[in-house]
Amino acid sequence: KNQVEQSPQSLIILEGKNCTLQCNYTVSPFSNLRWYKQDTGRGPVSLTIMTFSENTKSNGRYTATLDADTKQSSLHITASQLSDSASYICVVSRATSGTYKYIFGTGTRLKVLA
Amino acid sequence: DTEVTQTPKHLVMGMTNKKSLKCEQHMGHRAMYWYKQKAKKPPELMFVYSYEKLSINESVPSRFSPECPNSSLLNLHLHALQPEDSALYLCASSPETGVAGELFFGEGSRLTVL
Repeated sequence: KNQVEQSPQSLIILEGKNCTLQCNYTVSPFSNLRWYKQDTGRGPVSLTIMTFSENTKSNGRYTATLDADTKQSSLHITASQLSDSASYICVVSRATSGTYKYIFGTGTRLKVLA
Repeated sequence: DTEVTQTPKHLVMGMTNKKSLKCEQHMGHRAMYWYKQKAKKPPELMFVYSYEKLSINESVPSRFSPECPNSSLLNLHLHALQPEDSALYLCASSPETGVAGELFFGEGSRLTVL
């Protein structure tokens, strides 16, 4: 079954601290994996995209990793800021009959405290 | 222009009302999507349009009726909704369904059914 699971469900950290969010998937065939940030009541915004051949990709304070063998990805946030408080959703694309489908993870709700 | 614009931002309607949600993009994308999102849950796919034709209907009740008048516009017509249909409705677009491109989301329409 094509699934994307994220952990932890929620996380509270102090401003300035680092954190790592996890994403495990069983999607096949795998096309790519994206991390999205969703502020409360807003639409998700893409942070990074990981393809099969990529191990690490950075976008400012966000660094995503991908291990295609173990089907795991992580999103590391460095020096967290209050504005990082949001839900982070892992989305895996798979190809089926010439059409790509997006499998959404359950999300991690991050709260950064001052 | 990398925006997906949704209107209205908020909508309150009774169970006997007929209303519509609107979505517009000018990125030249040929795939457009409607998602429903309940609180603290990931978005759930409702409909996909590819080149202005309905390609995916995720067994959505007929009280939700999508329409794609042209390649830039996507509507969701609402009729005889139930209180449990209250949710954030997100519109998204991507280059096309045959490419695992980034989903660009709108800000969403917050629907409350009384």
